[in-house]
Amino acid sequence: DAGVTQSPTHLIKTRGQQVTLRCSPKSGHDTVSWYQQALGQGPQFIFQYYEEEERQRGNFPDRFSGHQFPNYSSELNVNALLLGDSALYLCASSLGDLEAFFGQGTRLTVV
Amino acid sequence: KNEVEQSPQNLTAQEGEFITINCSYSVGISALHWLQQHPGGGIVSLFMLSSGKKKHGRLIATINIQEKHSSLHITASHPRDSAVYICAVIYDSNYQLIWGAGTKLIIKP
Repeated sequence: DAGVTQSPTHLIKTRGQQVTLRCSPKSGHDTVSWYQQALGQGPQFIFQYYEEEERQRGNFPDRFSGHQFPNYSSELNVNALLLGDSALYLCASSLGDLEAFFGQGTRLTVV
Repeated sequence: KNEVEQSPQNLTAQEGEFITINCSYSVGISALHWLQQHPGGGIVSLFMLSSGKKKHGRLIATINIQEKHSSLHITASHPRDSAVYICAVIYDSNYQLIWGAGTKLIIKP
């Protein structure tokens, strides 16, 4: 079992561009959550997907959107990138509310 | 005020010492996680607790639901244990993990 895999691992984008980050959950997991971790800070909840729908959302603008596919994999899209969007983006998967497993993250740098 | 409070914020110890990291939270929870984050960012789930005590190798996690408090212990600490340890909870009415600020642990050889 590969666990939770995220791609890409690192990414550099220009301000104003759009980015898509991908997450494949651990085998058997149906719930995917996304977090943003700015340098030196704790992770902030972006949103959670379950049964292909956004179940809960944190305090992030509409520029942040997501999707969950029938195979439970998920994408995080960020439009109109700002310098402040530079962060580590973490994906976590779980089976319902059971133990969450995390990917290694995608390091996004906006220049 | 953070809903999940960890202490200490920073901890430096010598190899072999017994380590304790504490976590307090404010309202009823359905589960509490202890997580480990190494430099570079990857997060590893160590334990998920809803009651009692769990042990995995040199790591022990306990939770007291009545006192709304959990502890993570590391026995016979080793430099490779150096990392940030994070306590995160899921409240009864919430799906998301609420994170503590983390404890930065450095174990010196």
